[in-house]
Amino acid sequence: DQQVKQNSPSLSVQEGRISILNCDYTNSMFDYFLWYKKYPAEGPTFLISISSIKDKNEDGRFTVFLNKSAKHLSLHIVPSQPGDSAVYFCAASGDGTGNQFYFGTGTSLTVIP
Amino acid sequence: NAGVMQNPRHLVRRRGQEARLRCSPMKGHSHVYWYRQLPEEGLKFMVYLQKENIIDESGMPKERFSAEFPKEGPSILRIQQVVRGDSAAYFCASSRLAGGPGEQYFGPGTRLTVT
Repeated sequence: DQQVKQNSPSLSVQEGRISILNCDYTNSMFDYFLWYKKYPAEGPTFLISISSIKDKNEDGRFTVFLNKSAKHLSLHIVPSQPGDSAVYFCAASGDGTGNQFYFGTGTSLTVIP
Repeated sequence: NAGVMQNPRHLVRRRGQEARLRCSPMKGHSHVYWYRQLPEEGLKFMVYLQKENIIDESGMPKERFSAEFPKEGPSILRIQQVVRGDSAAYFCASSRLAGGPGEQYFGPGTRLTVT
């Protein structure tokens, strides 16, 4: 039962352009959302988060948007850089268990120089 | 300030052997989470522990898997009588606070291969 879904397994973007990664969730109880970035042979690294009381959170080149009515969030990276090439996971928590994060299956981003 | 440490990074076991995976959380973190990533899948929650207590093991397989986080020393994920389907990357994460809000910091993972 995949409660957090990333339907695009891969994305290619030209350097300097915007990368948009999407994530959908099914559980309306989720109230905290995060994006993680993962390089091969390394653990996921926290990137940015957003709580359900907000609809946007920005940190430098990274912005996360949350649309609660659509149960959808997206990560915008602008401008994209070759070093951004990695797998990006979205995660959600707050379904009442308080303990676990539910992860999507990841989107592999390639930024072409 | 060392991050989350996991060892070994790679572990090869034959079917039927035991696998022991270790995780040392970040300094000041008393919450530990174990996740498993099967090939082509996202990370799946297995268990959440605080010192000497299992808080949530809803993601743990019912048999052969166990976890502990003793008062002293690292957290251990133990898999008895491993089978080929246990081959995966096992990630440990730690946090200062329980659940959210607050991010979990991940270790580099242990890649288990069962032959």
